[in-house]
Amino acid sequence: GAVVSQHPSRVICKSGTSVKIECRSLDFQATTMFWYRQFPKKSLMLMATSNEGSKATYEQGVEKDKFLINHASLTLSTLTVTSAHPEDSSFYICSAKYRTGESEQFFGPGTRLTVL
Amino acid sequence: GEDVEQSLFLSVREGDSSVINCTYTDSSSTYLYWYKQEPGAGLQLLTYIFSNMDMKQDQRLTVLLNKKDKHLSLRIADTQTGDSAIYFCASEGGTGGFKTIFGAGTRLFVKA
Repeated sequence: GAVVSQHPSRVICKSGTSVKIECRSLDFQATTMFWYRQFPKKSLMLMATSNEGSKATYEQGVEKDKFLINHASLTLSTLTVTSAHPEDSSFYICSAKYRTGESEQFFGPGTRLTVL
Repeated sequence: GEDVEQSLFLSVREGDSSVINCTYTDSSSTYLYWYKQEPGAGLQLLTYIFSNMDMKQDQRLTVLLNKKDKHLSLRIADTQTGDSAIYFCASEGGTGGFKTIFGAGTRLFVKA
């Protein structure tokens, strides 16, 4: 099956620093990638939809200058949390689809971000 | 906005059947999904059902859809300890477009 990887799996950083998380589709080309944030005991919240070669579409309430998304190629999307603060600590998960409208999303294993 | 709701916990004995329930609000949802998340891992798609179906069976998994009541359930037959995980219900399509809306997840505990 299709595999999506994320790097790093865990990151701890100091408040005020920026952190970059990579999401890669390993064996397929992903025209669309999604970034989710998962809060404890809460559902995944979609942050943004990323299409290769175009600007990401952010969900309401998500600061695009805070969470920078770059979908540089059909196999790589990055999420950069800028000037991270403790409230940004969370589990960030990406997913990818072969093409828009395709039913199945393939999820990465997630990245645990802890901001001290 | 549109919403998906599910109970937070379910505990069953090994060998029994588990039934996880979910309700959604968008009556025009096209796809309805069940995902499994094991500790520290991402989500794995277990199964999905099109909105024009009312049942789908896949080995130990049975999905039932009551479109009138906007109710979805996942039945796991002969539940094993390896089935312990968080199960997420999700809807897609309809007024949300291709955006997938997730429930909060049901944590399934399987007692040996």
